[in-house]
Amino acid sequence: GAGVSQTPSNKVTEKGKYVELRCDPISGHTALYWYRQSLGQGPEFLIYFQGTGAADDSGLPNDRFFAVRPEGSVSTLKIQRTERGDSAVYLCASSSRGSGGETQYFGPGTRLLVL
Amino acid sequence: GQQLNQSPQSMFIQEGEDVSMNCTSSSIFNTWLWYKQDPGEGPVLLIALYKAGELTSNGRLTAQFGITRKDSFLNISASIPSDVGIYFCAGQLYGGSQGNLIFGKGTKLSVKP
Repeated sequence: GAGVSQTPSNKVTEKGKYVELRCDPISGHTALYWYRQSLGQGPEFLIYFQGTGAADDSGLPNDRFFAVRPEGSVSTLKIQRTERGDSAVYLCASSSRGSGGETQYFGPGTRLLVL
Repeated sequence: GQQLNQSPQSMFIQEGEDVSMNCTSSSIFNTWLWYKQDPGEGPVLLIALYKAGELTSNGRLTAQFGITRKDSFLNISASIPSDVGIYFCAGQLYGGSQGNLIFGKGTKLSVKP
């Protein structure tokens, strides 16, 4: 079966531009997570969706970052007025319920480079 | 954001050697997990631990959930070349709206020149 997919796999943009990163979770998974991984670091939590709603957005670094999941499946992470410090790998993960203890399956990530 | 203390940062392995790495936290977790990440890929789950004191194996991999719920270790026995990669520990505290993973900085396994 299909795993978590993310598009684009790579994105190069200029400082100040707007970008959208897409995540397609495993079919039927109600919980979806976004993480950011900087070079040489482990992934850091950004936001968690349970269905269509953001259950926890405490990891979003500032108000330039926003994510949606309007139909409870695909999610889009949106970054406004990108800065060079936003360059990182953005990982998406999904799990079946999100109530705890289920495996989170990760996508391959989107590599964002802000010039 | 919070990250777990994972050591060593890097190590070189020779085929056949046993490898050990560990992770500590100032907070307790309900679940400890170990992931492996290859270049250009997302992390892949190796072992999940759900109970304090639990010792779990997956082939040549063995991991333990510390009694204090603040630490875990991973052992790889008789390493092979495909073990090369970056290993991450992760803790999970769930309940309510929580469920996100807190990761360590990773242990990079390379082959001895």
